[in-house]
Amino acid sequence: QVQLQESGPRLVKPSQTLSLKCTVSGVPISSTTYDWSWIRQPAGKGLEWIGRIFSSGRTGYNPSLKSRAAISVDTSNNQFSLRLNSVTAADTALYFCARGDFWSGYTFWGPGILVTVSS
Amino acid sequence: QSVLTQPPSVSGAPGQRVTISCTGISSNIGAGYDVHWYQQFPGTSPKLLIYGNNNRPSGVPDRFSGSKSGTSASLAITGLQAEDEADYYCQSYDRTTDGSGVFGGGTKLTVL
Repeated sequence: QVQLQESGPRLVKPSQTLSLKCTVSGVPISSTTYDWSWIRQPAGKGLEWIGRIFSSGRTGYNPSLKSRAAISVDTSNNQFSLRLNSVTAADTALYFCARGDFWSGYTFWGPGILVTVSS
Repeated sequence: QSVLTQPPSVSGAPGQRVTISCTGISSNIGAGYDVHWYQQFPGTSPKLLIYGNNNRPSGVPDRFSGSKSGTSASLAITGLQAEDEADYYCQSYDRTTDGSGVFGGGTKLTVL
């Protein structure tokens, strides 16, 4: 069974960089053609797609983040990561990692990690 | 502002049928990308409810169905039950941003 688990600092200061990891178990992250994505949800609000990385290393991002986001993959640890720089209070949210593809949607999700941006 | 437009809320009595619309444009739903639907309860991760416009993952009751036409999609729930009270999100992709994911703003379903 595929499982995903987010980890990282839960408190980040304004203007600093948010760094999260998603550890994948049950399937090698490098041997599939899935879309490994980050999605976030501010408290009481809807879902926002942040970006994705394919096992090929190709990435894509939400243009609204104005190039602040970067996603990378670490095949040796079966993880993929999110870095979001120059954070503000508006980046406070529950961050999810998920696996999906264009035809099947996001089938597997991590439980989410709440990240607060505050001094 | 979400890329896909959903009504903020819908409601229905137990046993009734409700529909939730999801409206996009020619570069996303209208470009031929599939629409997926998720159900989310407070404090939990979204759960895939409908994939590929009208397919149900294993374990999802057949009371849930999806459809797509042109630049819009719909989720229908028949035989409404109290346990269906949740938030529902549609999701697709947009070709103007190299196939990046896009979500609807979410719809809160209240079972009266």
